Amino acid sequence: SYELTQPPSVSVSPGQTASITCSGDKLGDKFACWYQQKPGQSPVLVIYQDRKGPSGIPERFSGSNSGNTATLTISGTQALDEADYFCQTWDSSTVVFGGGTKLTVL
Amino acid sequence: QITLKESGPTLVKPTQTLTLTCTFSGFSLSTSGEGVGWIRQPPGKALEWLALIYWDDDKRYSPSLKSRLTITKDTSKNQVVLTMTNMDPVDTATYYCAHNKAAAGSWFDPWGQGTLVIVSS
Repeated sequence: SYELTQPPSVSVSPGQTASITCSGDKLGDKFACWYQQKPGQSPVLVIYQDRKGPSGIPERFSGSNSGNTATLTISGTQALDEADYFCQTWDSSTVVFGGGTKLTVL
Repeated sequence: QITLKESGPTLVKPTQTLTLTCTFSGFSLSTSGEGVGWIRQPPGKALEWLALIYWDDDKRYSPSLKSRLTITKDTSKNQVVLTMTNMDPVDTATYYCAHNKAAAGSWFDPWGQGTLVIVSS
């Protein structure tokens, strides 16, 4: 079965750029999307179709996808961006989620 | 504005069948392209996709859970029902339903608030 691998944790200082990766075999040939989940809350879509941002999501969230890796980039990271982030794609008509990355802003 | 809300039992016993209902508004499952999915999350763990149903009754299931899952829709009630048989303590999780639209690399947006299901005797 297809797997997506994310680093368990990423740390970033306020105002700096955070990059969270999601790796999978030939992931760049598929579309990836990203969700943000804060403690006790439901996931929220922050990037879809690799690089598109839903309305209401700050422009500091951006995405890319090439080769075997999709990347979520948060520019000018703020304390309120501290959360878990999950990537998602499709393989063989089924949905696959990554294991999640805890972003710490310190 | 699209909203979804999950409902069902909080506590189920091992071997029982779980039935969860997703009631939604802001879209219709009789409209081309619309879909609703179920995703669960054990406490402190990752998201796991379970099932998805589309407007045309196309149904998709997680390969690892397919034998235990059934997803159905009631278009007139704006509801999607998920049943999971032979529940086990490892199935303890928050269960979410979410809106999905058929598209290349489709995504889930928005999500319901989730409902916690505990499997224990």
